[in-house]
Amino acid sequence: GQNIDQPTEMTATEGAIVQINCTYQTSGFNGLFWYQQHAGEAPTFLSYNVLDGLEEKGRFSSFLSRSKGYSYLLLKELQMKDSASYLCAVTDSNYQLIWGAGTKLIIKP
Amino acid sequence: DAGVIQSPRHEVTEMGQEVTLRCKPISGHNSLFWYRQTMMRGLELLIYFNNNVPIDDSGMPEDRFSAKMPNASFSTLKIQPSEPRDSAVYFCASSLGQGHTDTQYFGPGTRLTVL
Repeated sequence: GQNIDQPTEMTATEGAIVQINCTYQTSGFNGLFWYQQHAGEAPTFLSYNVLDGLEEKGRFSSFLSRSKGYSYLLLKELQMKDSASYLCAVTDSNYQLIWGAGTKLIIKP
Repeated sequence: DAGVIQSPRHEVTEMGQEVTLRCKPISGHNSLFWYRQTMMRGLELLIYFNNNVPIDDSGMPEDRFSAKMPNASFSTLKIQPSEPRDSAVYFCASSLGQGHTDTQYFGPGTRLTVL
């Protein structure tokens, strides 16, 4: 079966750095997305990785290792507004998008 | 530039009633997705349209659910009859290309409560 694993919940301190991991077992791979979802709101796009390596976008970076079936989202200089759920999603060889359950990130002052 | 528009934003209905959710995708986008999100099951894809044609409806729970896309700017998701277990947030999303390799832009969602 197809599976995406993310930690259910993480806690971090304002101003710190946090890394949210995502491991996947899918039938093939055609890209990996990270979305952010604030409570009561819709998911919004953060990043897309299709090749191995690190993609940096401001305070957020996303890393991919296709051989390991692994990605992480790195958030630097955490702000209170970063409190949200972070969803990992993988496009498989049939171009189906498989969604993870999401990681709820709690930022404490 | 308007994003994905959904209506209603909230719907409370009684078991057995028909519910119709509406979605207007971003102009120029070719793909439209209907999702359901609950605490227990997370985000689930119900159905996916490309160029107004249903491509994958394997996520539609049962015959009580139906979706249409009569033109490029409008889609509906209908539940008839509704049941309490249908209570969830229903999101519509659109993307520029086909398939699942393009960024999806989500509407604000419809929070459905079936009593």
